[in-house]
Amino acid sequence: DSGVTQTPKHLITATGQRVTLRCSPRSGDLSVYWYQQSLDQGLQFLIQYYNGEERAKGNILERFSAQQFPDLHSELNLSSLELGDSALYFCASSLYFSNEQFFGPGTRLTVL
Amino acid sequence: DAKTTQPTSMDCAEGRAANLPCNHSTISGNEYVYWYRQIHSQGPQYIIHGLKNNETNEMASLIITEDRKSSTLILPHATLRDTAVYYCIVRVGMDSSYKLIFGSGTRLLVRP
Repeated sequence: DSGVTQTPKHLITATGQRVTLRCSPRSGDLSVYWYQQSLDQGLQFLIQYYNGEERAKGNILERFSAQQFPDLHSELNLSSLELGDSALYFCASSLYFSNEQFFGPGTRLTVL
Repeated sequence: DAKTTQPTSMDCAEGRAANLPCNHSTISGNEYVYWYRQIHSQGPQYIIHGLKNNETNEMASLIITEDRKSSTLILPHATLRDTAVYYCIVRVGMDSSYKLIFGSGTRLLVRP
């Protein structure tokens, strides 16, 4: 158990819908990262937040957005969902100067 | 975007050392090499990282060549539970704002 929690574990929805994935980092960790893992694209970095501020961006679509709240939990919002958005979404957290990211168990999103 | 090259798959016998190579010929002087592994569809797990010197921890050893263009992860006594996909990653960015660019990884099968 990494100490990072993600909800929900599974999510099934239809094309065109909007969903929100939630992540609670390890106690004390200020940085949160989001990754997408699909069968054809592998594990892709989406975005990083540190203490509420966006710090790094990867291959995140404009239909996707994220934020980190004052209590440090983070949410990833996916809108206008397409079949290709079906994937595992991982959240990771780390200390500011830590070199190690701790990954959560992931949320499996299925878009039908 | 991945800056590393790894064999697609490898296998080794239980109890023997597993040596996983990684090529990162375009690595810059201040970029770290990280290793993570992913068992089934669980969240990736940090193994080890290094910059120039060889590193060892309770899980593995990391050998980095002098020119830093390649490295080898060594699992000294592989067990069946070490069967996983191993990712060699070059960390891009500074301490507070960095991203891990995952490649396709090496699927390691440990045989009984």
